[in-house]
Amino acid sequence: AQTVTQSQPEMSVQEAETVTLSCTYDTSESDYYLFWYKQPPSRQMILVIRQEAYKQQNATENRFSVNFQKAAKSFSLKISDSQLGDAAMYFCAYNGEYGNKLVFGAGTILRVKS
Amino acid sequence: EAGVAQSPRYKIIEKRQSVAFWCNPISGHATLYWYQQILGQGPKLLIQFQNNGVVDDSQLPKDRFSAERLKGVDSTLKIQPAKLEDSAVYLCASSLELLAVQFFGPGTRLTVL
Repeated sequence: AQTVTQSQPEMSVQEAETVTLSCTYDTSESDYYLFWYKQPPSRQMILVIRQEAYKQQNATENRFSVNFQKAAKSFSLKISDSQLGDAAMYFCAYNGEYGNKLVFGAGTILRVKS
Repeated sequence: EAGVAQSPRYKIIEKRQSVAFWCNPISGHATLYWYQQILGQGPKLLIQFQNNGVVDDSQLPKDRFSAERLKGVDSTLKIQPAKLEDSAVYLCASSLELLAVQFFGPGTRLTVL
């Protein structure tokens, strides 16, 4: 079974600075999808970024980018120019090639200081 | 485009009572999911529907939980009888098709006393 591990329960960043959230996963599949979701206190889960494992190029969405290391099974999220609105719980998630069952990590709370 | 709708947003019940949650997915989305998110944990899939058929319910506690998706549109999740450990946020999500990106609703926070 696939597992997703987020080893940082909580992270803090100063406004306008850069922060990196870590995620590792375990799978025997060769093709799959990886996601970062953001969950603010309102509980609405919002997709931040998506990476397809067969694509070598790291995904980027405005201030959000990933460092995808397939061999190391690592998928970290970098947030540049952090804003107060980035404060939330961030979940890393895995979805296999043949199913659509998202497996989530335990989450990382991101606090942004002004 | 309207997002995934869920109701109620909050529910407090006594143990052994029953409760039902409702979800209306994004229009045209064939796949619907129910997740359970216990405080401090990531969401866990309970059941997945493709149109009105069940694709995966391997983690649904079938002795007390049931779900249906009549006519392949909206869905209800029921718990009967509730236990203290069922206290959690119940999230509904939908996607256009299998392997497509999932969009989540705001969730229902259930407290079982």
